[in-house]
Amino acid sequence: KQEVTQIPAALSVPEGENLVLNCSFTDSAIYNLQWFRQDPGKGLTSLLLIQSSQREQTSGRLNASLDKSSGRSTLYIAASQPGDSATYLCAVMEYGNKLVFGAGTILRVKS
Amino acid sequence: ETGVTQTPRHLVMGMTNKKSLKCEQHLGHNAMYWYKQSAKKPLELMFVYNFKEQTENNSVPSRFSPECPNSSHLFLHLHTLQPEDSALYLCASSQGLAGELRTGELFFGEGSRLTVL
Repeated sequence: KQEVTQIPAALSVPEGENLVLNCSFTDSAIYNLQWFRQDPGKGLTSLLLIQSSQREQTSGRLNASLDKSSGRSTLYIAASQPGDSATYLCAVMEYGNKLVFGAGTILRVKS
Repeated sequence: ETGVTQTPRHLVMGMTNKKSLKCEQHLGHNAMYWYKQSAKKPLELMFVYNFKEQTENNSVPSRFSPECPNSSHLFLHLHTLQPEDSALYLCASSQGLAGELRTGELFFGEGSRLTVL
């Protein structure tokens, strides 16, 4: 059974700092990996999707990498801002359109 | 209206009530999902529909009954729920590939916050 783990569970950083969120998964037979953002009481916003054949994806200040063989992904956020404060979720897509989520990293960026 | 829309946003019901959650997607997708998000737990997949056919039921109790009348609409019928069913229920859609059970990016609605008294 696929298990997705996110480290750290929570992170508090001063504004402007670069930071890395980690995601690991136990079964490398995945089709893609997605990073989401969730604000309190809200739905999920897709940030980046990396296909299993890709190594990384970039969008603005966000960069996500994927090492499928080792079962790891990282989300790099450059020059963090208070508006980046949210819960960040990693999820892997398995056969059958099943997206398996990690528990998330709660990020707080202090101004 | 664009994206994935869920109604109602908030619902309070007693254990003997019958209610329904509605999801509508305006993205032209052909796969739709129900997820459950409880406090301090990862999102749990409940149901997957591909081209209106249910392809996944993740051992969900029968008091939750999904319905997918077409590729744009998904319902979750609720009956005789328990207080532990209180959670945020999220609907999502994606562009599935005909004949293949894999898909691209998932887009989520804002969720329906359910409280069972």
